[in-house]
Amino acid sequence: SQQGEEDPQALSIQEGENATMNCSYKTSINNLQWYRQNSGRGLVHLILIRSNEREKHSGRLRVTLDTSKKSSSLLITASRAADTASYFCATDESGNQFYFGTGTSLTVIP
Amino acid sequence: NAGVTQTPKFQVLKTGQSMTLQCAQDMNHEYMSWYRQDPGMGLRLIHYSVGAGITDQGEVPNGYNVSRSTTEDFPLRLLSAAPSQTSVYFCASSPDGTVGYTFGSGTRLTVV
Repeated sequence: SQQGEEDPQALSIQEGENATMNCSYKTSINNLQWYRQNSGRGLVHLILIRSNEREKHSGRLRVTLDTSKKSSSLLITASRAADTASYFCATDESGNQFYFGTGTSLTVIP
Repeated sequence: NAGVTQTPKFQVLKTGQSMTLQCAQDMNHEYMSWYRQDPGMGLRLIHYSVGAGITDQGEVPNGYNVSRSTTEDFPLRLLSAAPSQTSVYFCASSPDGTVGYTFGSGTRLTVV
């Protein structure tokens, strides 16, 4: 069954602002991943955080993981119009197979 | 490198027809998976494989078959297409499942 649930479902911000989206999941995990999907395209891997990590950075991306709350957040700083996309979290349930949430649709207004 | 290649990109089937969606990767990845994406549903795992000769079911396997005879290829077969199988299908691969997956560009399937 689908593990991750992203929140909010949709987010609209002005260019230059920060965007934060959240992911909650149901059972224990080994890893959590975030992906971006531009309209009509495949998914692109952004960042993976392991269960023993609390925070990870990659460029303008910051991911946190709170295993006690079974939640993760993705922060995009200084957003750009090109960041407009859907963002998905994916969690491993068993056997290193990843299950995706329904995604957050981010619109960055120039 | 081509990465993950899916063919065809678009397909229209009539109810009851069968077809195979092709997926090939040239990165020598052991793990491969098929997902379907429907509006408001996110991606749902259909079948996956952790190596040649090994396959297993995901969340929504009914109506689909897979095989993994080589490391490179992981075809998805629709046995008897139904309108409920209208969706966008994505194939993905990973070295060992502990790192990020590389996705193909998808196959948009319409069953009429």
